[in-house]
Parts: sequence; C-alpha cells; structure tokens
Amino acid sequence: AQSVSQHNHHVILSEAASLELGCNYSYGGTVNLFWYVQYPGQHLQLLLKYFSGDPLVKGIKGFEAEFIKSKFSFNLRKPSVQWSDTAEYFCAVNAKRMDGKLQFGAGTQVVVTP
Amino acid sequence: DGGITQSPKYLFRKEGQNVTLSCEQNLNHDAMYWYRQDPGQGLRLIYYSQIVNDFQKGDIAEGYSVSREKKESFPLTVTSAQKNPTAFYLCASSTIRGSTDTQYFGPGTRLTVL
Repeated sequence: AQSVSQHNHHVILSEAASLELGCNYSYGGTVNLFWYVQYPGQHLQLLLKYFSGDPLVKGIKGFEAEFIKSKFSFNLRKPSVQWSDTAEYFCAVNAKRMDGKLQFGAGTQVVVTP
Repeated sequence: DGGITQSPKYLFRKEGQNVTLSCEQNLNHDAMYWYRQDPGQGLRLIYYSQIVNDFQKGDIAEGYSVSREKKESFPLTVTSAQKNPTAFYLCASSTIRGSTDTQYFGPGTRLTVL
C-alpha cells in the first residue's frame, strides 16, 4: 500500500544538538513533499515544501529538508535546535494522481530539553 | 484577520448523538478538507471538497457527513454511526485543486464522546 513513513515517533534531545527526522514515501511518479509542524496549543503550520528544482529546501526557523528521489526520502534537518522547537512534526506527500489529497506520516514528537 | 476558524474548540457528546463541527475560511480558497488526528496515526482525510456543492470521500469517511453550500463553509457532521468519534478534528483549505498548492489548517476541534 502507498504510504508515508516517519521513522521516529519520539525524539528527545538537548538544546544546541542537531536534529534529523526521517521521512520515506512509497508513491511512484511525481510527488510534492511537505513538512508541517504543530507547536503545543497552536495550529498545524507549514515548515517547508518541495515541488521541483533544488532538492535541498530551506524553510522557516532554520529548518531544511533534502529530497532524495532515488531513496524516496525527504528528511528534515536542523543543525542546532532550541527549546522552542519542541513540537510534533509531520511529513506529508501528495501526487498528481492523488487529486491534491495529502497523505500524512504518523508524526514525530520532538522534545528539546534546556 | 484572515484564516480558518473552527468552532467549538472543545465539544462533548453523548453516545448516540450527532454533532456538527464548524469550519469557516475567509481566504477565498476553493478547496477544503477535513482530517482526523489521533495520537501515533498522523492526520487522516475524512472528506474534501474542491468546489461548492461537490465533495468527495477521503480515507475514513464512514460515520461522517459534510456539505458545501458556500465557498467559505464546510461543516462536518459526526454521526452516531461513527464507532470511535473521540479525536481531534482539523479543517484545512487551499487555493486551487490539484497537487501543487499548500493546505492551511484551522486550530481544530477536540471532540470527546462521553
């Protein structure tokens, strides 16, 4: 079945540590890729997205993600996290044949300790 | 103040009752979506609508119904046929149909069945 997989359900790390969250998808053909973030008590908001072009995408708050087509991956990274990055992170994919529908991963809860 | 509003923020329902969740957007978006968020499962699509007076089932439509009489509004009814309705419900919208547009999310409604 077509799906989106996020490898880690919970991540705990200290401030200034580097963060990498894995995301793999199983759809063939052209895909659009998204990372959304849900801070405690806030709306789900877009962190970054990839449609085409440079596979290294930069988003808000110092996050970036790299699309590796051969690996069907779109991993999220941040070199140095802050306490305020504590949130739940969701990878999402849509494809042309999906008629605009987004398929979400299960999410990764990230806790950054001071 | 543009955006997506959902009401109420918290909703309690007795078993056997239908309940309607409101979603309104003033972004002039064509497409609207309803998702259900459960811990460890990410977001799952319930229904979506790409144009007024038309809507499509998502992945978990059973026990839910929607209407799209106005562009701005996309209410979701959780019926008594929904076997496990307690969840966090998110509404989203996007400007155009198709796979290249970003979805924007409302603040959500947390439904608890007593």
